[in-house]
Parts: sequence; C-alpha cells; structure tokens
Amino acid sequence: DSGVTQTPKHLITATGQRVTLRCSPRSGDLSVYWYQQSLDQGLQFLIQYYNGEERAKGNILERFSAQQFPDLHSELNLSSLELGDSALYFCASSAFSQASGANVLTFGAGSRLTVL
Amino acid sequence: ELKVEQNPLFLSMQEGKNYTIYCNYSTTSDRLYWYRQDPGKSLESLFVLLSNGAVKQEGRLMASLDTKARLSTLHITAAVHDLSATYFCAVKIISNFGNEKLTFGTGTRLTIIP
Repeated sequence: DSGVTQTPKHLITATGQRVTLRCSPRSGDLSVYWYQQSLDQGLQFLIQYYNGEERAKGNILERFSAQQFPDLHSELNLSSLELGDSALYFCASSAFSQASGANVLTFGAGSRLTVL
Repeated sequence: ELKVEQNPLFLSMQEGKNYTIYCNYSTTSDRLYWYRQDPGKSLESLFVLLSNGAVKQEGRLMASLDTKARLSTLHITAAVHDLSATYFCAVKIISNFGNEKLTFGTGTRLTIIP
C-alpha cells in the first residue's frame, strides 16, 4: 500500500456521461498529480495541485477538470466522455525523500475507466 | 516541448543475461527517475538520479545519468523472472514559476524467459 488512495478502482460508463475520480494523498503530502495512462498515449501528465492551488497543467482536455479540497483530497472530473477516454487514471502525491535527496512521486493504484 | 524516449520498447531476454535500457531526453534536466510497473498495477519508484555521473544500484538493477548526453541507462545484471515488468524513465522539468512536471518515457516492457 503506497498510502495514496484512489476510488473507484474500476468504472464502466457510457459515452456522453460524466464521472468523478477521487484521490487522497499520503498523509502530510501537499501535492497531488493526475496522470492518464492509455495504450496509445502512454503516461500523460494532466494536472498538479499544491495545497489547494493549481500549480501545473499538462495535456488535460477542456472536458476534464480537477480540484484539490482543504483536506487535500483531490477529484478529477471527466465529462462528455468519449471512447478514447478509456484509460487508467493515476493520482500521485509528492514528498521529499531523505534517502533520495529529492521529491519523489508516489502513485496510487489507479482508477480504470472504461467508456462503452 | 520535452521529449523522453526509451529503447527498446520491448525486450525479451533469458534469465541470467545482462541487458541495458536506454532513456534519452531532449531538454536540459538534472533530475531523472526510474519507475517499475507490473501489469495492471501502479508505478513503483526505483531510482532518483540527481546529477551528472550519478549511479544508483539496487540488487540486479543499476541506473546511471549523463546529463551532457541527456542519457540515462538502466542496466540489468543476471536477469531473473521477478524483474519482468515495464520500466519507465521520467524527467523532471522545473518551470520558471517553480512548478514541477514529471514527463515519462514510452516505457520498456521487459520479459524474462526462464
């Protein structure tokens, strides 16, 4: 268990629908990152939040949005879903590792989204 | 835009053999990460390389970084079946605003054959 909790683990929905993925970072971690992993696009960075504020934005579609709440959990909202949105969505939190001497991302188990 | 390329994309090797995975990136960076992913699972951090010439080793895996060549290698020594997984390198770019973004390579799917 990495300490990063993601729900749901699996989600099947239809095109045009809207879903919300939830992430709780490791205790004490202020940063949350969202990544999308699909077969054709690989691991794509979507967005980063730090202590409730958006810090960096990647290849996130306008149909997608995210936020980080005061308790530091984050939600990724995906709307008007298309077949191509089917992917594994990972959340990660970041903390400084004394052993490594750098910030290291710790990933959750992922949420597998299937759009039919 | 930063590009991170790995090769090979697929690697099938026999137990006991040695091999190297290469990671090239297109923009100056001095932070390079290696992650491992088992099928259908999450990503597990293996190494963080912070400076030119850095070398880290854990068991049968050894990672190195050449920032001048923008190249990192992950060397596998005397491979065993448990090392079968997909290996990703990732490069961190810190923007002018202090925002950190980790860009992942394409991944190398390693299969160790008994």
